[in-house]
Order: sequence, then C-alpha cells, then structure tokens
Amino acid sequence: GAVVSQHPSRVICKSGTSVKIECRSLDFQATTMFWYRQFPKQSLMLMATSNEGSKATYEQGVEKDKFLINHASLTLSTLTVTSAHPEDSSFYICSARTYTDTQYFGPGTRLTVL
Amino acid sequence: GENVEQHPSTLSVQEGDSAVIKCTYSDSASNYFPWYKQELGKRPQLIIDIRSNVGEKKDQRIAVTLNKTAKHFSLHITETQPEDSAVYFCAASIHTGNQFYFGTGTSLTVIP
Repeated sequence: GAVVSQHPSRVICKSGTSVKIECRSLDFQATTMFWYRQFPKQSLMLMATSNEGSKATYEQGVEKDKFLINHASLTLSTLTVTSAHPEDSSFYICSARTYTDTQYFGPGTRLTVL
Repeated sequence: GENVEQHPSTLSVQEGDSAVIKCTYSDSASNYFPWYKQELGKRPQLIIDIRSNVGEKKDQRIAVTLNKTAKHFSLHITETQPEDSAVYFCAASIHTGNQFYFGTGTSLTVIP
C-alpha cells in the first residue's frame, strides 16, 4: 500500500513556542491531505482538510490562526501549532488520500507542551 | 454535516467466535465507507472498504455490509484471533469530497 511519513514522531516544547509537523506521501501524489487530533482512547477528530495549492478548510471549533496548514505540493503538507500551550498536547495524525478515495495515515506525532 | 455513530464502544469475544461492529451515518450523499484498525500507539490501517454501489464485500475473515436505505454499515470478523484485538473505526465520506468523518471507535478484545 501507499506510504505516508510524518515528522517528527515525538516533540516536547515549552509553552509559547511553535511546532511544525510535516506529512509526506512517499510514493503517490495526494490531492488532499487531512489533519486529525486524537486524544487517549478516543476517536480521530478531523481538524482540517488541505488541498494542494489552496487554503485549508478547517472544521468548526478549530482555530485556523493557531493551527496553520500549508500544502505546498502534492506530496507535502505541514501543520504548525503556533504559540503552543499545554492544552494543545495531543497525538496529531495526518492522512493522504489517493485518487480512489483511500486514505493512508502517517504514524502520528506526539506533542507535549510543558 | 455528517454524523457517524458506532456501536458497541467495547467488545470482548472468545477466540474463534465472530465479532460484529455497526455504524450509522446521517448524510445520504456519503458513498464511501472504509474501516480502519488501530493498534495501540500505531497508525490506523485500512482493513476493508465498501462503496455505495455494493451491498457486501468480503476479504478472507473480514466482511462489510452496507444498507443504504437504512444508512448503516457493519463490519464482520469471523474466526477471531488474539491479533484481531485493536480499536476499529468506521468512517463515511463523499467521493472526491473533503468530508471524511470517523465513528467513535470500538475496542475489540479477543480472549484466547
């Protein structure tokens, strides 16, 4: 199957700093990438949908100025958590969709804000 | 927007028995329904999917059924094995659309 990488896998930062997470589709071009947040023992919460070359579409309740998404190419999308606070600590997962609608997930990024 | 409900939230079965997980969706425009398996600390992995033009699909021990009229779809795992233990998520989306919503997940435990 298709491979999606995500970097970093784990990050610890101080409150007030910004953190960038990269999501790459390694062997296919993804017209759409999705960003999710997952709390322990809970489902995947869709944060935003990102299409190459256009602005991301954010779900209700997700602050677009706090979670900046850039989808610069068909293989790369980035999520920047700006001015991170402890409540932003979570597991962030990206996914990339193929032309057949199948979504392949990245391994996730564990963010801890001190 | 789409609302996907999933039941049960937890499920325990004896090894060799069958497991069934059910999902309902609200948006009649949804036409693609994948199922994902997520093991602890790992990424969700697609295990099977079904499109709205098909009522049932099977892949070895796993099958999915879809009832468009009732807006529900189910995952069936037969001859369960301990390695089937994981959290399973259903999802619903619209082909080429930007909406992709997951159910709340089912934690399946297969008891040896």
